[in-house]
Amino acid sequence: GAVVSQHPSRVICKSGTSVKIECRSLDFQATTMFWYRQFPKQSLMLMATSNEGSKATYEQGVEKDKFLINHASLTLSTLTVTSAHPEDSSFYICSARSDPNTEAFFGQGTRLTVV
Amino acid sequence: QKEVEQNSGPLSVPEGAIASLNCTYSDRGSQSFFWYRQYSGKSPELIMSIYSNGDKEDGRFTAQLNKASQYVSLLIRDSQPSDSATYLCAVAGGTSYGKLTFGQGTILTVHP
Repeated sequence: GAVVSQHPSRVICKSGTSVKIECRSLDFQATTMFWYRQFPKQSLMLMATSNEGSKATYEQGVEKDKFLINHASLTLSTLTVTSAHPEDSSFYICSARSDPNTEAFFGQGTRLTVV
Repeated sequence: QKEVEQNSGPLSVPEGAIASLNCTYSDRGSQSFFWYRQYSGKSPELIMSIYSNGDKEDGRFTAQLNKASQYVSLLIRDSQPSDSATYLCAVAGGTSYGKLTFGQGTILTVHP
């Protein structure tokens, strides 16, 4: 399968600071990337969809000014959690696909802990 | 009503048995269906995808889709302890075209 690399895998930051998470498709062009959040013992919840070169589409209830998404190239999308607070602590996972009807390949996930 | 529902389990089966995981979805226009396996602390990995009614087999895994009943299932034959994980059903297409909507997951434990 296709490879999606997410970095960092784990990050601890202080409350009020910002954290950037990268998602790269290594061997295919990802026209669409998705960002999910998963709280303990819960399923994945879609935060936003980003298409290369366009503004991200955020799901209801997700603050676009807090979770900044950039998809500047066909192989890279970034999620920046701005002014992070402890309630933002979660497992953030990206996925990427080249085509709407193909499988989505997931990155390894980023465990964010805000202290 | 949740868009994608799974029996949350936990489901416990003995080694060598068949594990049966079920999923229903509400959007009749859904077109693509996926089963992911997620180990604790890890991201999901794709096990099966299915797009047409009927069965699709891959090794010990069989996915079954019935669009009329809005039902998709996953059978795991000869279950192994290494199959112990959370299994996520995901649906794409219809009104959420291109996006995956996940069920809450079923925790499977295979005991020796």
